[in-house]
Amino acid sequence: KQEVTQIPAALSVPEGENLVLNCSFTDSAIYNLQWFRQDPGKGLTSLLLIQSSQREQTSGRLNASLDKSSGRSTLYIAASQPGDSATYLCAVSLTQGGSEKLVFGKGMKLTVNP
Amino acid sequence: GAVVSQHPSWVICKSGTSVKIECRSLDFQATTMFWYRQFPKQSLMLMATSNEGSKATYEQGVEKDKFLINHASLTLSTLTVTSAHPEDSSFYICSAPDGRAVNTEAFFGQGTRLTVV
Repeated sequence: KQEVTQIPAALSVPEGENLVLNCSFTDSAIYNLQWFRQDPGKGLTSLLLIQSSQREQTSGRLNASLDKSSGRSTLYIAASQPGDSATYLCAVSLTQGGSEKLVFGKGMKLTVNP
Repeated sequence: GAVVSQHPSWVICKSGTSVKIECRSLDFQATTMFWYRQFPKQSLMLMATSNEGSKATYEQGVEKDKFLINHASLTLSTLTVTSAHPEDSSFYICSAPDGRAVNTEAFFGQGTRLTVV
């Protein structure tokens, strides 16, 4: 059974720091890995999608890497800002019962202090 | 990216009543949609896969008679919580993969906060 883990569960940093968020998964047979952002009481916003054949994706101040063999992904946030405060979730896409499904980690709550 | 709209964003209902939540893909067609449930400080748990024109596929432990799913068109799926009880209070989120995107990127609705009193 695929399990996705995000450690730590919460992180508080001063503005301007470069951050690394970690995600690990137990089964390397994935189609892709996706990072999301969730603001309190809101839905999920897709940040980056890394296909299983890729090693990294970049969007603005965000960079995500994927190492399938070791079951790990990292989300790098450069020059963090208070507006980056949110919960960040990673999810892996896999086939289960003939359909493609997402398995989520519990998320990491990030607070960037001004 | 693609837009998925979910309505309502919050609802309060009395115990024993039914509540319907809508999930719409606004700028693409979705033959498949997914319904998730999220408890406070917990991850999203997949409840069921909604298939256009056919029956939904429910995850183990999810009561199909309690959580009715209808996917009557390529842009709309509905989740009806029947005979709601306080333990059904939760945050419900739908998602739809955009097949036009590379490797079916998933897009999510804004979620529905259900409170059963």
